[in-house]
Amino acid sequence: QSALTQPASVSGSPGQSITISCTGTTSDVGSYNFVSWYQQYPGKAPKLMIYEVNKRPSGVSNRFSGSKSVNTASLTISGLQAEDEADYYCCSYAGSSSVIFGGGTKLTVL
Amino acid sequence: QVQLQESGPGLVKPSETLSLTCAVSYYSISGSYYWGWIRQPPGKGLEWIGSSYHSGNTYYNPSLKSRVTISVDTSKSQLSLKLRSVTAADTAVYYCARLGSPAGPTVTTFDYWGQGTLVTVSS
Repeated sequence: QSALTQPASVSGSPGQSITISCTGTTSDVGSYNFVSWYQQYPGKAPKLMIYEVNKRPSGVSNRFSGSKSVNTASLTISGLQAEDEADYYCCSYAGSSSVIFGGGTKLTVL
Repeated sequence: QVQLQESGPGLVKPSETLSLTCAVSYYSISGSYYWGWIRQPPGKGLEWIGSSYHSGNTYYNPSLKSRVTISVDTSKSQLSLKLRSVTAADTAVYYCARLGSPAGPTVTTFDYWGQGTLVTVSS
């Protein structure tokens, strides 16, 4: 199992939209609609932002959305705000009750 | 609101066994959810270690499977982790988490997390 591939960093200005990609294989992202996204602030535990590719838990801003195409999942944050600056991790089901995380992406709000 | 709290030694010597527990509050650990461990080396990404059900059903990351044991103690409402023969590469913040989503129990998503505990492997 190799980690899912995410860009190390992305940046955007307040009000803009950014997209973070998460590339896997036909053994994980490509085979299951069980991709989740987590937001993590420094020194804090991750927080679930998106589950099952594009579903948002109650309380998560509708500025966060998810999608998937073939072996790549994406997290889009629209109307970027300073509070969105954090690390973001994708996670995919990989079969046999196992999961695999992405390497993480640091989002900088300029 | 489910609460999870990790505890255990913050320093472990190389070749020894890392042992952590996770206390679960405000939800029965004997319920319908799996419980898991995830770790994060300093400055690096998240790594799934394994997941366990109160019945004893357990799944491990293949890369750690030979050294890991995860179990659920329903009498103490605790999840435990044992990692044998540790090296400096096992230095990380260790998180326990519940496997679930707003849709209910799952083995694919982590909805509640503990605050994490840093374990350093050093002599």
